[in-house]
Amino acid sequence: DQQVKQNSPSLSVQEGRISILNCDYTNSMFDYFLWYKKYPAEGPTFLISISSIKDKNEDGRFTVFLNKSAKHLSLHIVPSQPGDSAVYFCAARNTGNQFYFGTGTSLTVIP
Amino acid sequence: EPEVTQTPSHQVTQMGQEVILRCVPISNHLYFYWYRQILGQKVEFLVSFYNNEISEKSEIFDDQFSVERPDGSNFTLKIRSTKLEDSAMYFCASTRTGGINEKLFFGSGTQLSVL
Repeated sequence: DQQVKQNSPSLSVQEGRISILNCDYTNSMFDYFLWYKKYPAEGPTFLISISSIKDKNEDGRFTVFLNKSAKHLSLHIVPSQPGDSAVYFCAARNTGNQFYFGTGTSLTVIP
Repeated sequence: EPEVTQTPSHQVTQMGQEVILRCVPISNHLYFYWYRQILGQKVEFLVSFYNNEISEKSEIFDDQFSVERPDGSNFTLKIRSTKLEDSAMYFCASTRTGGINEKLFFGSGTQLSVL
């Protein structure tokens, strides 16, 4: 029962270009969505989030878009930098304060 | 910035042995979680803990697993009799409240290897 899905296990982007990471979810009761970044041998670190009442949230180079009707969210990174190379996890929270994670997308930014 | 700390960073054990993974959540946080990630797979929810009791647990969290907050700072995950398939990276996490827009803070994980 995978409620949060990231269908692209990996993505490669040239430095300076836009990275777009996608995430789909199935549970319409999710009210809060987050993106986490993870380096090898470290815990996930919070990157950016969006409430279900919004459709866009921007923080510097990072923007998250939420399309509730499609149950889809995406993370845009522009411009991409080599230090952005990591695994990115999409997460969603239900009203019971439980967080569900996708399988992750490994982003490689090529210098 | 305050952080969640986990010890040990690596744990190797023999199948059938008991292990205890330790976590110190951020001091003013009230909700505590254990997640795990088997190599190459997604981060999976194990259990959440609030007000000194389990608030939710997943199917993975069977009778072999238990959690405890033995004092005001530590939050532990015990696996009573480890199996090979318990080998994974175990992450502790916490949130300050259960309110809207609260984000999970993760520790750096304990890599458990069951031989």
